Amino acid sequence: GENVEQHPSTLSVQEGDSAVIKCTYSDSASNYFPWYKQELGKRPQLIIDIRSNVGEKKDQRIAVTLNKTAKHFSLHITETQPEDSAVYFCAARNTGNQFYFGTGTSLTVIP
Amino acid sequence: SAVISQKPSRDICQRGTSLTIQCQVDSQVTMMFWYRQQPGQSLTLIATANQGSEATYESGFVIDKFPISRPNLTFSTLTVSNMSPEDSSIYLCSALAGVDTQYFGPGTRLTVL
Repeated sequence: GENVEQHPSTLSVQEGDSAVIKCTYSDSASNYFPWYKQELGKRPQLIIDIRSNVGEKKDQRIAVTLNKTAKHFSLHITETQPEDSAVYFCAARNTGNQFYFGTGTSLTVIP
Repeated sequence: SAVISQKPSRDICQRGTSLTIQCQVDSQVTMMFWYRQQPGQSLTLIATANQGSEATYESGFVIDKFPISRPNLTFSTLTVSNMSPEDSSIYLCSALAGVDTQYFGPGTRLTVL
């Protein structure tokens, strides 16, 4: 099956700075890459996604980039705020519509 | 979008018993999945719940331990059988609504003593 690696496992940034989380995947046929935010005790929530035919997507302070050749994708959060503090998961979906998750990044935004 | 509910929200069970978790979606969805998330860890896909046929299990998960039903397009159950403390985890169901978007239920927190 698909193998998704995610780095870093923890990330601390000052409020207002940018945060970048990187993921790699193994299955070149994977075609859809969502990012989820999970707050403590809550369910994962989709924050942004990108399909394999797109290189970059932006939604306000959040952007995702995809390099299909290198099989890696990244989440960029600009102008971070304390409410951005959470665990972030990347995922890759294979052609059978199964989703495989990265190991997670615990982001702390320091006021 | 899809709104997903799960029952129970949490349970404490004795070793050797079984627990069935229910997942209800407020609309018909093409695919439903079951995940396990151990404390502080990522989500691990257990299986894809197929409507009207046997579930498709991921490597390391077997039907005898995690039987799954999906009688229709809005409902699925996961049973954790013959439980041991190692089964203590959060179990999440999810549904694929539309082409891409996966929505999650609130999870069932299971503690096995």
